[in-house]
Formats: sequence, structure tokens, C-alpha cells
Amino acid sequence: AQTVTQSQPEMSVQEAETVTLSCTYDTSESDYYLFWYKQPPSRQMILVIRQEAYKQQNATENRFSVNFQKAAKSFSLKISDSQLGDAAMYFCAYGGGTYKYIFGTGTRLKVLA
Amino acid sequence: DTAVSQTPKYLVTQMGNDKSIKCEQNLGHDTMYWYKQDSKKFLKIMFSYNNKELIINETVPNRFSPKSPDKAHLNLHINSLELGDSAVYFCASSEGLAGGSEQYFGPGTRLTVT
Repeated sequence: AQTVTQSQPEMSVQEAETVTLSCTYDTSESDYYLFWYKQPPSRQMILVIRQEAYKQQNATENRFSVNFQKAAKSFSLKISDSQLGDAAMYFCAYGGGTYKYIFGTGTRLKVLA
Repeated sequence: DTAVSQTPKYLVTQMGNDKSIKCEQNLGHDTMYWYKQDSKKFLKIMFSYNNKELIINETVPNRFSPKSPDKAHLNLHINSLELGDSAVYFCASSEGLAGGSEQYFGPGTRLTVT
């Protein structure tokens, strides 16, 4: 069975600085997808970034980028130039052939002014 | 335009009652889901429907019964509510069944059982 682990329950970053959130996963599948979702205090879950496992190039969306290490089964999220609006819970998720997402336990990100 | 909507957003009820949460998506997606997020923010899938057919049932107590009258709606009915059912319930939809599809979430329904 697939598992997703986020080992950092909480992280803090100064405004305008860079922070990296960690995620590791375990799977025996060769074809899968990885996601980072953001859940601000409003509760609304929003997709931040998506990575296809067969693509070697790391996904990037504006200030958000990932470091995808397939052999190590690692999928970290880097947020550059952090803004107050980035404060939220961040969930790493795995999507594979079982038609469902497996979510990690989340990392709460605090952005300090 | 709201992509995935849920009603109600808040629900407070007593143990033993029966309640329903409604979900609608206007994205034209084929697949809809129900998730439960507990007090520790752990998010777990409960059900998945594809074109009104049940695809995933994640060992949820049979007090929980999803119903999909059409592919744009997936409602969740809960019988004999228990204290442990208190959580935030999220509806979501995606274009396809594959694990690579982005999921669009509703705003959540906070259920409190007293």
C-alpha cells in the first residue's frame, strides 16, 4: 500500500525568505502523480503544484517549486519570497492507479512579518 | 461561479440524529469524492463515485450512505450520529478516475455532534 509522510508538523519562515517543506512517500507503482495542496484558515483546499513521476523535470508554479527525487521517493516543496498569504496547512498527496489520493498528515506553515 | 459547493457549511446536532450533507459540482466532472478531516487535520477518503457508480468505499461504517442522483451531485447521509463523527467533511470532484487528476474541493462542512 502507498504511504505519504510529512515529518514536519509545523514550520516558520520570515516574510520574503525561502522555506522547504518535506514529503516522502512509498509505492511500488512506476506511474503516479504527486501533489501539494494548500489549506488556508478558510478551509478551502487549493492545488499548489503537480508532478508527474515519469517527468524528470521538477514542476514550477511561480514562487512554488518542487524537488522531486524519484529514487529516494522524496517530493519537497520550496516556497520562495514567502508572503503572509502563504500561511496555511500544506498537504502532500499521492495519486496512483487506485483512483484515490493518499494524503500526508500536513505541515502548518507560519509566515512571520 | 462556485465550482464545488456544499450545504450546509456548519452542522450542529445531537447524538443519535440523522443528517445529510449535499454536494454539487458545475465543472462537468465524472468523478466525485467524500473526504473526512479529523481534528488533527488528517484527511482521508471515504467514498468515490464515477458517473454515479460507487468506485471506492474505504471501510466506512454503514451508518454513512452516499447517494449520487446524477454525476453532478453526491450527497452524504449519516444515520445515528456519534460523537466520533465530529469532523470537517469535504466533497471533491475530478475530471477522471486516474490518480493524476486534480481534485477540486468544496468549502467543507463542519459537523459537530454533541
